Amino acid sequence: GAGVSQSPSNKVTEKGKDVELRCDPISGHTALYWYRQRLGQGLEFLIYFQGNSAPDKSGLPSDRFSAERTGESVSTLTIQRTQQEDSAVYLCASSPYYADEQYFGPGTRLTVT
Amino acid sequence: TQLLEQSPQFLSIQEGENLTVYCNSSSVFSSLQWYRQEPGEGPVLLVTVVTGGEVKKLKRLTFQFGDARKDSSLHITAAQPGDTGLYLCAGNPNNAGNMLTFGGGTRLMVKP
Repeated sequence: GAGVSQSPSNKVTEKGKDVELRCDPISGHTALYWYRQRLGQGLEFLIYFQGNSAPDKSGLPSDRFSAERTGESVSTLTIQRTQQEDSAVYLCASSPYYADEQYFGPGTRLTVT
Repeated sequence: TQLLEQSPQFLSIQEGENLTVYCNSSSVFSSLQWYRQEPGEGPVLLVTVVTGGEVKKLKRLTFQFGDARKDSSLHITAAQPGDTGLYLCAGNPNNAGNMLTFGGGTRLMVKP
């Protein structure tokens, strides 16, 4: 079956511009996660959606970052007024329910010039 | 300081050698997971350990969960170039929120 997909795979943007990253989770997975991975490092949690509950935004690094999810489907992560330190791979994962094994997409590599 | 500390951070070995990667914490985890990530891809789940003292084997990979459920190890026997990648441990501490916490990873390179 189809796995988690993310688009675009690569994004180069100028400092100060807004970017929108998309994640399509595995069908039927109620939980969706966004992570940031800087070069050569581990995963940094950003935000978590579980069904129709209020999202856990505790990992968002600043108010320039926001995310939305429509029901149990697509999610978009938006970064406003991008900064060079936002350059990283942004990974999306989904799981059947709370804190179960996570299935990751291939990530979006964001480069802010 | 990360909740899950992995060591070593980097490991470069020759094909056929054995190695052990460690994942340690001062917190208790209800379960721990190990993932492998290859360049340009997302992490892929290898195993979940849930019982203190548990040992799981996956071909040449052996995973252990500490008795106190605060640490885990991954041992690879006779490493092969295909084992090259970033190994990540992850878990949900007993009193944490709703998400997994990941360690910083161990980057393994196996040279032929």
